[in-house]
Amino acid sequence: DGGITQSPKYLFRKEGQNVTLSCEQNLNHDAMYWYRQDPGQGLRLIYYSQIVNDFQKGDIAEGYSVSREKKESFPLTVTSAQKNPTAFYLCASSSPSGTQYFGPGTRLTVL
Amino acid sequence: QKEVEQDPGPLSVPEGAIVSLNCTYSNSAFQYFMWYRQYSRKGPELLMYTYSSGNKEDGRFTAQVDKSSKYISLFIRDSQPSDSATYLCAMSASISFQKLVFGTGTRLLVSP
Repeated sequence: DGGITQSPKYLFRKEGQNVTLSCEQNLNHDAMYWYRQDPGQGLRLIYYSQIVNDFQKGDIAEGYSVSREKKESFPLTVTSAQKNPTAFYLCASSSPSGTQYFGPGTRLTVL
Repeated sequence: QKEVEQDPGPLSVPEGAIVSLNCTYSNSAFQYFMWYRQYSRKGPELLMYTYSSGNKEDGRFTAQVDKSSKYISLFIRDSQPSDSATYLCAMSASISFQKLVFGTGTRLLVSP
């Protein structure tokens, strides 16, 4: 089955820790995205990548980092510099028509 | 003022009702409009995708875009309890790469 997988489903972080969220797609899409979702705020773009080995900051990139070494993978690292990381994180990829498809999400909680 | 405004709800309706969900926006450059459905603790699922003004129908769902009023709507006919979810509108100015701007979502509750 084609789709987007994210792991883990739930993640707990201690203060001062870096954590990495995984996103993999087998849709052969060039573009991939990371969003953060908070109650009452909708989805906000963290980082996006239009092609392998290239990525750009979105609207709320501070405290996050990404890499795009393979077309299928776009991991997101939440660093200790992110002061309020508790949120639902969504990965997406887009087809040549531009339509974005989302993964199931990772819920990150700071202990 | 937010670029995209959407009433958070909740909107409660009985089963079988016609539901109207709406978004307004301020950026006249938006040309591509989407509606996503999101169940609790799940990723959004694309429901409808329209370009520019007009209507698009898919089964029980109809998407309507009025660019002159900067207003988009999603109608759900014969609503079912399984339609209970949060509905997100999203829009973009570009097709080749979509930096989507999302509404905050409207929570819909359909009671049996």
